[in-house]
Amino acid sequence: ILNVEQSPQSLHVQEGDSTNFTCSFPSSNFYALHWYRWETAKSPEALFVMTLNGDEKKKGRISATLNTKEGYSYLYIKGSQPEDSATYLCAFTPPRKTSYDKVIFGPGTSLSVIP
Amino acid sequence: EPEVTQTPSHQVTQMGQEVILRCVPISNHLYFYWYRQILGQKVEFLVSFYNNEISEKSEIFDDQFSVERPDGSNFTLKIRSTKLEDSAMYFCASFQGYTEAFFGQGTRLTVV
Repeated sequence: ILNVEQSPQSLHVQEGDSTNFTCSFPSSNFYALHWYRWETAKSPEALFVMTLNGDEKKKGRISATLNTKEGYSYLYIKGSQPEDSATYLCAFTPPRKTSYDKVIFGPGTSLSVIP
Repeated sequence: EPEVTQTPSHQVTQMGQEVILRCVPISNHLYFYWYRQILGQKVEFLVSFYNNEISEKSEIFDDQFSVERPDGSNFTLKIRSTKLEDSAMYFCASFQGYTEAFFGQGTRLTVV
């Protein structure tokens, strides 16, 4: 069974604080790792897609790292703002020999940034 | 910016009725998906579609569900006889295979 886990389940931070959360995935069956931001009443929006061990990607104040050997990815938000409040979904794509066609989502981390 | 469009945005239906949820994925994408999210729960995979046929489906996707791409652009999800527990947000996604998935805005299905 291919499973993606995320922690923490929810997080409340003050505006200006930096924060990070974790995504764990099966290290033995890996093709790509995605991060999505899902704001209430909107559809999920892709933040990053990473494929290589050691990948680091950055988009403004948000960055992500990838460790495929141990099966985890971190998402960092520097200087959180109220508009960062959303659910952050991690998703994993296994290679075709197992189930290439499926993007498997984690349960998400719900972030609330308090002004 | 490419986008996936879904209609309707909200559908209310009586238990036992058939519903069809429509999606127009990104035209040059090859893989299409339906996901759903029941209120307060995590995103659940329903089905993936490639080369005009189902490539994978979850346990949720039983005989009451079907998908098709009737005209090469629309991608539809049909629920034959809706149950109360089918109430959820249904999201269509379009995926090229090497980059991120693009999601539609979702259809909120309410079964009463």
